[in-house]
Amino acid sequence: EDKVVQSPLSLVVHEGDTVTLNCSYEVTNFRSLLWYKQEKKAPTFLFMLTSSGIEKKSGRLSSILDKKELSSILNITATQTGDSAIYLCAVSIQGAQKLVFGQGTRLTINP
Amino acid sequence: DTAVSQTPKYLVTQMGNDKSIKCEQNLGHDTMYWYKQDSKKFLKIMFSYNNKELIINETVPNRFSPKSPDKAHLNLHINSLELGDSAVYFCASSQERGVYNSPLHFGNGTRLTVT
Repeated sequence: EDKVVQSPLSLVVHEGDTVTLNCSYEVTNFRSLLWYKQEKKAPTFLFMLTSSGIEKKSGRLSSILDKKELSSILNITATQTGDSAIYLCAVSIQGAQKLVFGQGTRLTINP
Repeated sequence: DTAVSQTPKYLVTQMGNDKSIKCEQNLGHDTMYWYKQDSKKFLKIMFSYNNKELIINETVPNRFSPKSPDKAHLNLHINSLELGDSAVYFCASSQERGVYNSPLHFGNGTRLTVT
C-alpha cells in the first residue's frame, strides 16, 4: 500500500528559529512530491518536486527531494508566527490520478 | 473571486439523514476531486472526475455518490449518514487530467458533523 509518513507530527518553536520538516514515502511508481500549508481552511500549494537534489525556494521556505532516500525536507528559516500551520506532504503516482498525503506536521511558532 | 468554492461550510445532521455538498471551480480546470480529512488530519481521496467522467472511486461506500453536471461542478451526495462520516470534506481541482504537473487547488472545506 502506498504510504507517506511525516515527522515530527508536532513541533513548537520560538519566532526566529529555523525548522526542518521531514517526509518519507513508500509508493509504487513515484512521479512527484508536493508540499502544502494548511492554516484554518484550504491547503495551499507550496512546492512540487520531481528531480532529486534540486532545491526549490520561496522566500524563507525551501525544499529538496532525495529520491535515493525516498524522502524530502521542508526548511523554514527565521520563522514567524504566521508560519504556524499544518504542513502536508503528498506524493503523486505514475498512472494514478491522485495524491497520497501524509498525516501532516503541526507547526506552532511562539512569539 | 474564490477559485474553488464549496457549500455549505458547516453541516450538522443526525444519523440516517441524507445530505449534499456542492462544489464549483472557476479556474477552467478539467479535473475535480473530493477528499476527506479525518480528525487526525489525514487527507484521503474519495473521487476524481475528469470533464464529467468518473476516473477514481477509492473504495468509498455506496452511500456516497458524486455527480458532475459539467466540468466546473462536482457535488457529493451522502445517503444514510453514519457517525463515522463526520470529517472535513474538501473539493479540489487541477488543470490537467491527474496531478503530475499541476498542483491541486482546494476549496475551504465542509465540516460535516453527524450526531
